[in-house]
Amino acid sequence: ETGVTQTPRHLVMGMTNKKSLKCEQHLGHNAMYWYKQSAKKPLELMFVYSLEERVENNSVPSRFSPECPNSSHLFLHLHTLQPEDSALYLCASSQGWFETSGAPETQYFGPGTRLLVL
Amino acid sequence: SQQGEEDPQALSIQEGENATMNCSYKTSINNLQWYRQNSGRGLVHLILIRSNEREKHSGRLRVTLDTSKKSSSLLITASRAADTASYFCATDYSGGSNYKLTFGKGTLLTVNP
Repeated sequence: ETGVTQTPRHLVMGMTNKKSLKCEQHLGHNAMYWYKQSAKKPLELMFVYSLEERVENNSVPSRFSPECPNSSHLFLHLHTLQPEDSALYLCASSQGWFETSGAPETQYFGPGTRLLVL
Repeated sequence: SQQGEEDPQALSIQEGENATMNCSYKTSINNLQWYRQNSGRGLVHLILIRSNEREKHSGRLRVTLDTSKKSSSLLITASRAADTASYFCATDYSGGSNYKLTFGKGTLLTVNP
């Protein structure tokens, strides 16, 4: 257990559905991340939140909408997804965000949500 | 892109043998980290090596860093079946306001009992 939990673990949705992924960290960290992991591709950073403010948005389509209501919780709202969005979505947290801490940050990952879009 | 690239893409060895994985990157870095991922699970941090360090050990893991060649290696000694996983290197770089940890595609290690 890394102290980062994700729900659901598996999700199947149609292209017209709306669903949300949830991430919770129990480590007292101040930064949280969403990553997308597709087969044969490097891990793609999607969003970064530091102290509940979005600090990075890597040109992610608007059909993915993040929400960070507090430093322990992170959501990824999904709507009108495409089959190519099928992937493992990983949440991670770190003590701080490098820009504020100036220190290298180790990231702690949740187990991921395996998403299949039909 | 500063993206790390692991080599080989896949490695299959027998239990008890040593496994060596390599990572190459393109731009200057502050630090390099190695992570492990069991099938379909999240990544677990293994070890971090700073740009001014050349070698680091943690249990059966040995990491080297050669900044002149922009490469790192991860050695797992006396491998076990439980070491079967994908291994990723991740480089961090701060250029302007664009700090991020960038991962490679990983090396899939299979340790046969």
